[in-house]
Amino acid sequence: EAEVAQSPRYKITEKSQAVAFWCDPISGHATLYWYRQILGQGPELLVQFQDESVVDDSQLPKDRFSAERLKGVDSTLKIQPAELGDSAMYLCASSLEYQGELNQETQYFGPGTRLLVL
Amino acid sequence: AQTVTQSQPEMSVQEAETVTLSCTYDTSENNYYLFWYKQPPSRQMILVIRQEAYKQQNATENRFSVNFQKAAKSFSLKISDSQLGDTAMYFCASSNRDDKIIFGKGTRLHILP
Repeated sequence: EAEVAQSPRYKITEKSQAVAFWCDPISGHATLYWYRQILGQGPELLVQFQDESVVDDSQLPKDRFSAERLKGVDSTLKIQPAELGDSAMYLCASSLEYQGELNQETQYFGPGTRLLVL
Repeated sequence: AQTVTQSQPEMSVQEAETVTLSCTYDTSENNYYLFWYKQPPSRQMILVIRQEAYKQQNATENRFSVNFQKAAKSFSLKISDSQLGDTAMYFCASSNRDDKIIFGKGTRLHILP
């Protein structure tokens, strides 16, 4: 069964360092999402791609976070510089197609990258 | 703003019992989807069940069913004949026309042997 792949699974870094997370969605899925999940809370959307284009990045802290999906397949989320408050689980999800009006496609989640900033 | 509220941070039930997880939501949309996602310990989040708001019939998936009360904006999940493998965080979520999913804070469910 096809799955969303993420790496690394765990990352420990010091504050002010740069970190990057990688996501490979299920083959053929046009829509890709990055979420941040703080311990004890539900995931919050950071950025949504449709193919290589950003659909929504309203919750992405753009002064330090960036995301790209250059060829419309895999994606990278970067934080520079990392801050203590960035410690969280970063989840990637994908779905088949962005419907425009209402999402009728299930989002499939990867295992996540757990980030600890010291 | 769209919100999802789960009022039960943690629950425990004995194996084989039935358990109901509560969820309320607030949206100004007429058409939307509601979801229950399961996140087992150290494993990835998976969709348990989903409900289309314009459908009155409650969704059912094997041992999992929902009680969707649109007027009350309530969307509870019932797990029948609970199993040890049901132990997980359960997140209620809703999606709007912008394809954005809003998650609740979750309910940690423990199934006891």
